[in-house]
Order: sequence, then C-alpha cells, then structure tokens
Amino acid sequence: DVKVTQSSRYLVKRTGEKVFLECVQDMDHENMFWYRQDPGLGLRLIYFSYDVKMKEKGDIPEGYSVSREKKERFSLILESASTNQTSMYLCASTYTGVNYGYTFGSGTRLTVV
Amino acid sequence: GNSVTQMEGPVTLSEEAFLTINCTYTATGYPSLFWYVQYPGEGLQLLLKATKADDKGSNKGFEATYRKETTSFHLEKGSVQVSDSAVYFCALSDQDTGRRALTFGSGTRLQVQP
Repeated sequence: DVKVTQSSRYLVKRTGEKVFLECVQDMDHENMFWYRQDPGLGLRLIYFSYDVKMKEKGDIPEGYSVSREKKERFSLILESASTNQTSMYLCASTYTGVNYGYTFGSGTRLTVV
Repeated sequence: GNSVTQMEGPVTLSEEAFLTINCTYTATGYPSLFWYVQYPGEGLQLLLKATKADDKGSNKGFEATYRKETTSFHLEKGSVQVSDSAVYFCALSDQDTGRRALTFGSGTRLQVQP
C-alpha cells in the first residue's frame, strides 16, 4: 500500500526551539508539499518541492524553511518556533501533472508552548 | 489568484438524508477540481475529481459535476450514513498559472446522526 509517512503524530516544543518535521513517501513522486491546517482556514500551502534540492515558497512561508536532499524525503523546519505556529501540519506528494490527486500523510499536530 | 469557497459547516443530517455541499471557485485558467475527505484523526483522502467542464466525478456514492458556467463543483450523495461523518474539502489545480500545488477551500464538517 502506497504511503506518505510523517515521523510524529504529536509534538510539543518550546518557544524558540528549532523544530524538524519529517515526511517520507514510497511512491517515487516528484512533487512534495507541506500544508498547515487551522480551523476555519482550511489548508494553507507553506512550501513545495518538485525535484530534489528544488523548493518553492507557498502562500505562508514566513518562519519556515524546507529541505529535500533525497527524492523520497521532504523536511519542514521551524527555525525558531513560536506559539502562532501551533497547528496541524500535513505533508502530501504527487506525480507531476495537475490531474493527479495528492496522497497525504496522517499529519503532525504541533503545539508550541 | 485562485480561490475556492465552500459552504460553512457544520452540516448536520439524519442517516439516509440527501447531502449537498456547495463549492464555487475562481481560477484564471481551466482548472481540475477535486473533493477530499478527512476522517477524524487522519490525513486527507481523495474522494473524487473532474478534469474538464461537464465531467462528473463519482466515488462511494458521492458525485460532483464540473460546471464551468457557474464555476461550481457541488458535492452530493443521495443517502448519507453515519460513517460519512468527516470534513470535506473542495480543491482546484490550475496548470495554466504554472502553480503545481492545489488550492483548498476551508472545509465543511458533516455530522450524520443515526
């Protein structure tokens, strides 16, 4: 069964910490995405990558960075966590081509205290 | 830019009732349209899609028709079950803008009561 795996379901971090969220897919997808999900706001795109070492900013990249050193892995980095980054983070991947749907991970619920 | 507008929830229905969740969109090109479903504690799953005007996507008793003239993609099901309780997201992709990522609506929570 094809999968997108996010390393943690729940995380609690302190303000100012550097936080790494990991995502791995086993489908040889070219494209990978990080979204955050907040009540009433739906999903908002943080960053995406369409190839190894390539990245593009989404709609809300401030306070985040990403890394894609291997095709199957896409990491989201919170350089200095803040309380307004408390959210559900969803990773997704897909083949190139707009008609393909995404495959999502189960999400990481991050709480910054 | 692109945007997706969904009806606000929660939508509360009794089992076997008819479901409609409205979705309208704004796009500069000719988008593909999707419905995703999120069950409690899980990530999103693709429910159905339509890639051109007048296409009908269907899956698990749900269906939606791509209406270019009204820029809509409403989700319908003839008889809902308790197991359909979830959050439903409408989304679009727009190749003409070169944007590879999907644009999502804010989601509509469906609660089905026995």
